[in-house]
Amino acid sequence: DSGVTQTPKHLITATGQRVTLRCSPRSGDLSVYWYQQSLDQGLQFLIQYYNGEERAKGNILERFSAQQFPDLHSELNLSSLELGDSALYFCASSATQQNTEAFFGQGTRLTVV
Amino acid sequence: AQSVTQLGSHVSVSEGALVLLRCNYSSSVPPYLFWYVQYPNQGLQLLLKYTTGATLVKGINGFEAEFKKSETSFHLTKPSAHMSDAAEYFCAVSVGFAGGTSYGKLTFGQGTILTVHP
Repeated sequence: DSGVTQTPKHLITATGQRVTLRCSPRSGDLSVYWYQQSLDQGLQFLIQYYNGEERAKGNILERFSAQQFPDLHSELNLSSLELGDSALYFCASSATQQNTEAFFGQGTRLTVV
Repeated sequence: AQSVTQLGSHVSVSEGALVLLRCNYSSSVPPYLFWYVQYPNQGLQLLLKYTTGATLVKGINGFEAEFKKSETSFHLTKPSAHMSDAAEYFCAVSVGFAGGTSYGKLTFGQGTILTVHP
């Protein structure tokens, strides 16, 4: 158990819909990262937050957004969903923003039908 | 920008044989290097990491890796494979503060699936 909790574990939704993925980092970790894992793109960095502020942005679509709340949990919002958004979404956390060691959650498997 | 290349998408070994998974990286600043393992339907677990200091790093489950700056490599080895080692392995690089806005972003290789035969 990494200490990073992601909910839900599985999500099935229709095209055009909006979903929210939730992540609770390890106790004491201030940095949260979101990654997308798909068969064709592999593991892709989406976005990083540190203590509530956005720190780095990767290949995140405009239809996707994220935030980190004062209690340090984070949410990834995916809207206007397309079939191609089906993937495994991971959250990771680290104590610092330069990431000498990141711990990953179990992931949320999103299926868009 | 940084990148990672894992040589061989599939590696097959016999139980008890040496495991060697290859990783080469590209980075314009001194990198932090990581190996993660992913078992089916699970998240990524950190095996080992190199940040600074000793270039030979030991991790969990008997794995180790050596940072070779001149070869821009960080290959993962284990002297004797076990059936439980069968999984997908990912090499990753980050550049910490030196990367400016890259901060703690991890750039992953495409992964290597390790199969262990009895």
